[in-house]
Amino acid sequence: GEDVEQSLFLSVREGDSSVINCTYTDSSSTYLYWYKQEPGAGLQLLTYIFSNMDMKQDQRLTVLLNKKDKHLSLRIADTQTGDSAIYFCAEPDSGNTGKLIFGQGTTLQVKP
Amino acid sequence: GAVVSQHPSRVICKSGTSVKIECRSLDFQATTMFWYRQFPKKSLMLMATSNEGSKATYEQGVEKDKFLINHASLTLSTLTVTSAHPEDSSFYICSASSGTSGIRGSYEQYFGPGTRLTVT
Repeated sequence: GEDVEQSLFLSVREGDSSVINCTYTDSSSTYLYWYKQEPGAGLQLLTYIFSNMDMKQDQRLTVLLNKKDKHLSLRIADTQTGDSAIYFCAEPDSGNTGKLIFGQGTTLQVKP
Repeated sequence: GAVVSQHPSRVICKSGTSVKIECRSLDFQATTMFWYRQFPKKSLMLMATSNEGSKATYEQGVEKDKFLINHASLTLSTLTVTSAHPEDSSFYICSASSGTSGIRGSYEQYFGPGTRLTVT
């Protein structure tokens, strides 16, 4: 089955860039997603990338996709304390069920 | 757009009682709703998938008689935790999807804010 892997923790200083990495296994995934979860809250869809793209930029967020290596990354420029959260990458499951396969989540800690 | 609400946000109940959690899509019709459980500092565990008007599909290891799911309309799904025990204490999150465009992969799910269940 599909598997999505992320590192569990990242700590950066305010103003630095953060890079959160993710690897996935299903090369036929059409879209790949990044979700953000703030403490005690649900998940917020942050951004997504279509598989025929290498990069997508949206304000401070840059998503890079390396299909050959099945590697996805999320870069947050000028990281702020409000960016402290858990970030999940996700891919659709291969059974066309509508389910998403989530990584374990990367906790981003931003120090002032 | 794409707002999903959950009610209640927090609930404390006694062991042996049942608790119902509601998940509503406020501004779109959700053909599919998902229920997740999240343990502290852990990823999301998908419990079940529910499609409007049909029985929920449970993930392996999830007791369907304990976690009753009803998706009676295109905007409402409910999860009832029956005969709750302290080990059922968790953060329960629902998500809703309006379905795919027919292209595999367009599976945006919109999440509710979660319900913190504490069973004493």
